Amino acid sequence: EADIYQTPRYLVIGTGKKITLECSQTMGHDKMYWYQQDPGMELHLIHYSYGVNSTEKGDLSSESTVSRIRTEHFPLTLESARPSHTSQYLCASMGLGDREGLLMNTEAFFGQGTRLTVV
Amino acid sequence: EDQVTQSPEALRLQEGESSSLNCSYTVSGLRGLFWYRQDPGKGPEFLFTLYSAGEEKEKERLKATLTKKESFLHITAPKPEDSATYLCAVQALGGYGGATNKLIFGTGTLLAVQP
Repeated sequence: EADIYQTPRYLVIGTGKKITLECSQTMGHDKMYWYQQDPGMELHLIHYSYGVNSTEKGDLSSESTVSRIRTEHFPLTLESARPSHTSQYLCASMGLGDREGLLMNTEAFFGQGTRLTVV
Repeated sequence: EDQVTQSPEALRLQEGESSSLNCSYTVSGLRGLFWYRQDPGKGPEFLFTLYSAGEEKEKERLKATLTKKESFLHITAPKPEDSATYLCAVQALGGYGGATNKLIFGTGTLLAVQP
């Protein structure tokens, strides 16, 4: 079982509030990701990080921000929540493994997600 | 532009009726192709990784195969508990011969297996 955790699992919050979604992993993975997924729809990459103090924006524009001060922690913050931010947010991490003597990226491990509703 | 396309979008099978799901990809050098299963309201659960054409992986009723342009997830004699969305993702070649850090997902195939 993957050691990557997201909190809270569910969050209902009013418009204009500041929120932080937490994501932690205990596998020592260098790469971490945030995806946004609406029900029945595809995963959209909104942020990723390949190590401490590195963050990049993903393919889907997002008003959220992220930080990576510690390897194990990759929180996502919305300064002012809006109803359009209602979605499921999924965090993932990926490490390096040995494959036939070569260092290769392993599979990505996902957290259980945070279902955010902004009213 | 790197792209992943899955088909069909949805598939309904009778219990025991074998079938295959397709994942077509166009990337600038494949560094890894991943299959995941996702249940409603949960995060994707890892199934397989394939790295090179001709590679195959098997687990219970599932078997994944890879060619230079596509991957198939074969489901043999499925059961109702196999009902889920199956996602395909690729990691592309990046600068300096390494892998990029981005994981590109397809839209998934929603599988429903009826008893």
